[in-house]
Amino acid sequence: GQNIDQPTEMTATEGAIVQINCTYQTSGFNGLFWYQQHAGEAPTFLSYNVLDGLEEKGRFSSFLSRSKGYSYLLLKELQMKDSASYLCASMDSNYQLIWGAGTKLIIKP
Amino acid sequence: IAGITQAPTSQILAAGRRMTLRCTQDMRHNAMYWYRQDLGLGLRLIHYSNTAGTTGKGEVPDGYSVSRANTDDFPLTLASAVPSQTSVYFCASSDSSLAGADTQYFGPGTRLTVL
Repeated sequence: GQNIDQPTEMTATEGAIVQINCTYQTSGFNGLFWYQQHAGEAPTFLSYNVLDGLEEKGRFSSFLSRSKGYSYLLLKELQMKDSASYLCASMDSNYQLIWGAGTKLIIKP
Repeated sequence: IAGITQAPTSQILAAGRRMTLRCTQDMRHNAMYWYRQDLGLGLRLIHYSNTAGTTGKGEVPDGYSVSRANTDDFPLTLASAVPSQTSVYFCASSDSSLAGADTQYFGPGTRLTVL
């Protein structure tokens, strides 16, 4: 079966660094996506990885290991506005996204 | 402003009623999707369309139907609503015609309550 696992909730301090992990198991693989979703709003695209390694985009970085079925999203210099849910999604062989339930990130001052 | 619009923003519906959720995009994207999002669960695909004139079933299609008469519009119809269809519904689109450009962009969502 297809499965995406990520922690339900994480708490971090403003200005710190947090890593949100995601493991995936899908029928085929065409890339790993991370989205951010603020409460009551639509998901917005953060990053896409299809090759092993780290992709850096400002304060956010995303890592992929295809052999381990593992990805993480790294958020640096946390700001209060980063309080949101972070959704991990794997694209399967049919180019459909299989979504995790999301990780709710709480930032404390 | 380019993007995806959905209507209505929210709706309370009596069980057994028919309801159509509207979705329009102006990005000329080939592919469009309907998802539902429920607490504690990931987004689940209801139906999709890879191009105008074609549609396909996702993970949870029962009780829903879609049509894709043109590139811009992708309405979702609940023929006879049931309480288990209470959810937040998101429409999304992607330009799947470009290699690697499979990013999905989401509309603002419709919050539907079936009583």
